[in-house]
Parts: sequence; structure tokens; C-alpha cells
Amino acid sequence: EAGVVQSPRYKIIEKKQPVAFWCNPISGHNTLYWYLQNLGQGPELLIRYENEEAVDDSQLPKDRFSAERLKGVDSTLKIQPAELGDSAVYLCASSLARGREETQYFGPGTRLLVL
Amino acid sequence: DAKTTQPPSMDCAEGRAANLPCNHSTISGNEYVYWYRQIHSQGPQYIIHGLKNNETNEMASLIITEDRKSSTLILPHATLRDTAVYYCIGQTSYDKVIFGPGTSLSVIP
Repeated sequence: EAGVVQSPRYKIIEKKQPVAFWCNPISGHNTLYWYLQNLGQGPELLIRYENEEAVDDSQLPKDRFSAERLKGVDSTLKIQPAELGDSAVYLCASSLARGREETQYFGPGTRLLVL
Repeated sequence: DAKTTQPPSMDCAEGRAANLPCNHSTISGNEYVYWYRQIHSQGPQYIIHGLKNNETNEMASLIITEDRKSSTLILPHATLRDTAVYYCIGQTSYDKVIFGPGTSLSVIP
């Protein structure tokens, strides 16, 4: 079974430029997460989708970040414009809830460097 | 949303058992305890989870105290490939997930 796929794996851009990350979750997983991870820290949730609906986007900086999950499958996370402080790893995870249990499966992440 | 506390780092000799503790005193009765690990430059990987009872799978064992305020992840025979950051979190399917900084485990030859 294929895992969570993310692209690109690495991205270098200049500040004020836009950037987009793509995530393809595990087939059949209805929940999709985007996390941000800074060096030496644990992942921080940006947004969580249940199918097409964003059920928790409280930590998403909406002035510059946006996300979508069309048709409840693939998802795109966008930053426009990027700032130096956005340099981090962006992780995508998916899960299939079984009652109250929800095991997350993570992709390899996209490493973003803003110059 | 349970907040968990873990030691920032631990060492373990190769071939010995690695016992990683986690305090989750604010965990609610319906939150599962999940353990993930993250090897350098990879995404976190699921290890094991449990609610009340001890659990074992091919990767590890999870011991949860009777009052559910703490747990221990046991890697029975640590190898160099177990060197990673280990995260303990409390989660249900409808709660916000909060990852702390985790425990950096170094397995020493």
C-alpha cells in the first residue's frame, strides 16, 4: 500500500514569492492534516480536514496561508507571500478514524527554505 | 487535549531495552496514548497506541499506569536504527493533536 505522498521534497524561494505544497493521502483516509515543523521542535498542526471540510484551521495564519482539499482526496497548502520565518518542514498526514482511535500516517515532508 | 511531558534526551546501549517515559496527567478518559518516532529527515512514524491496557506489537511494548497519568514505551532490544526522536501524545478522533518536543533517543554501540 502506498503511503502519504508529498511534493516537492525540497523548495527554495526568495521572500515575497508564492509557494505551494501538494499532498496525496493514503487511499480511503478521510482525515488529512497539514503540520509545520521547525528545527528541534515537534510538529504543529496548521489545518485538519474531514473529507472536504476544514474542521480545525485555528492555527493557520490566514493572512498568508491557504489550503484546499478538493473532492476530499488530494490537498494543497499555499503560502503567499512567503516570509523568512516560513522556512521549515511542512508535513502532511492522513488517517482513518475507527471510533475514537485515529492513527496518523505521515508523508516525508517538504523542506522549505525562504531566502 | 492532553499535554504530555517527556525527558528531552536519553541514551541506551545497543541490544539493551530502551524505556522511554511520558507523563500525561491531564489525559481525559477517552483519549488514547499514541507513540510516534521521527528519524532524521523523515516524517513521524506510528509505533503503538493504547487506552488502558498494556499493548505490544512487533515494534514495541506500551505500559500504561492504572491511573493513566503516565506511560512507558519499551523497545526490547534497541538497535542503532532506533536512534530517533520519540513523541508521546494524547489523542482522540475529534480532539486537537499536540506534539511536544519529544525525547531524543541515542542508541550507543
